[in-house]
Amino acid sequence: EVQLVESGGGLVKPGGSLRLSCAASGFTFSDSWMTWVRQVPGKGLEWVGLIKSESDGGTTDYAAPVKGRFTISRDDSKNTLFLQMNSLKTEDTAIYYCTTYTIFGPVIMVWTFDVWGQGTMVTVSS
Amino acid sequence: DIQMTQSPSSLSASIGDRVTITCRSSQTISRFLNWYQQKPGKAPKLLIYGASTLQSGVPSRFSGSGSGTDFTLTINNLQPDDFATYYCQHSYITPMGSFGPGTKVEIK
Repeated sequence: EVQLVESGGGLVKPGGSLRLSCAASGFTFSDSWMTWVRQVPGKGLEWVGLIKSESDGGTTDYAAPVKGRFTISRDDSKNTLFLQMNSLKTEDTAIYYCTTYTIFGPVIMVWTFDVWGQGTMVTVSS
Repeated sequence: DIQMTQSPSSLSASIGDRVTITCRSSQTISRFLNWYQQKPGKAPKLLIYGASTLQSGVPSRFSGSGSGTDFTLTINNLQPDDFATYYCQHSYITPMGSFGPGTKVEIK
């Protein structure tokens, strides 16, 4: 069974740091591009960042609101994705989901957020 | 940035109804449009990609259409399991493809 399980969420003060993990199973993690998507409870979805597979360069990309504060990394030997969040702000309060980022065809090649974890809640509050 | 809008923001429908949700992009995105379903307390689930292709395992009562800037998600013969929030998302510019604000489908 393809599965993503996030952990590491919790309550943190503004300016603090937190590291989220996402354990993957049931698919070839090392070949997969991975993302983090967040959602303020009761609100919409916001893409946070992406990391490519090592074979595709392992590069990262981030949404403007988190660029310079958040860092995505991966440990392919442990099938685990990470999100290091520094200088946290109250507006970072959200449920954080890790997802696979998969391209589907064949008529047109479309990137999708394919497999999702169950999410982990991050609350930034004093 | 490409902005996505959805209408309506919510709707009430009965079991067996046909439901139509519209998604519009602020500029043309060809068919680079995906639809997701999210049930309360659960993660989103990919329903449709490329505007009209059903993801594996998605019931055939779901269908998608459109290209350019206007897209539609249709649910035929609405079932109890379909009451959820639906989001469109463009993948024209990757990976920064933004999501629409969502349409909540509620039981009448």
